[in-house]
Amino acid sequence: EPEVTQTPSHQVTQMGQEVILRCVPISNHLYFYWYRQILGQKVEFLVSFYNNEISEKSEIFDDQFSVERPDGSNFTLKIRSTKLEDSAMYFCASSSPGQGGQPQHFGDGTRLSIL
Amino acid sequence: QKEVEQDPGPLSVPEGAIVSLNCTYSNSAFQYFMWYRQYSRKGPELLMYTYSSGNKEDGRFTAQVDKSSKYISLFIRDSQPSDSATYLCAMSHTGTASKLTFGTGTRLQVTL
Repeated sequence: EPEVTQTPSHQVTQMGQEVILRCVPISNHLYFYWYRQILGQKVEFLVSFYNNEISEKSEIFDDQFSVERPDGSNFTLKIRSTKLEDSAMYFCASSSPGQGGQPQHFGDGTRLSIL
Repeated sequence: QKEVEQDPGPLSVPEGAIVSLNCTYSNSAFQYFMWYRQYSRKGPELLMYTYSSGNKEDGRFTAQVDKSSKYISLFIRDSQPSDSATYLCAMSHTGTASKLTFGTGTRLQVTL
């Protein structure tokens, strides 16, 4: 069954450094998302992306965050200058054009640890 | 009031029991309702997906949506130890590719 793949599974970074999280969505999907889950808390929406532009973003997704689809298969989340509070699991999701772009399918996430 | 409320559990049941998991929500604009299962250190895995009100069955799983009460349920029949996980409800508005709003998740343990 097609799946969303994310790399790396775990990223350790010094505070203030830039980090790029990578995702390969399901191949025929057109809508892409990033969510995060701080340990012990609920999954929170960050951003959605369609047709090479941001569709919607949350308050969390400030100027330190950016997304890009650099080629036909990858979807990336960049955090420019990481903070301690960016430590979380980051999940990529994708969905197909039918039925209002639902449901969304998730990858297994990247655990981001900021030191 | 939180947009989506879910009892965090933990909920412990014996193998073979029927499990009932529930979420309530406050936003009447939600139209798409999903249940995800999440194992430790893994991503949410889609279990059930319904649009608007009604019931949907898939094997041992049944999802129910009651929009008049703003209440959704997931029933698991003949529960197995492998069903031990955290169950997340999620919902979204209409509109293309709307964001999902998640509940906090209910941790389920099925014991032998």
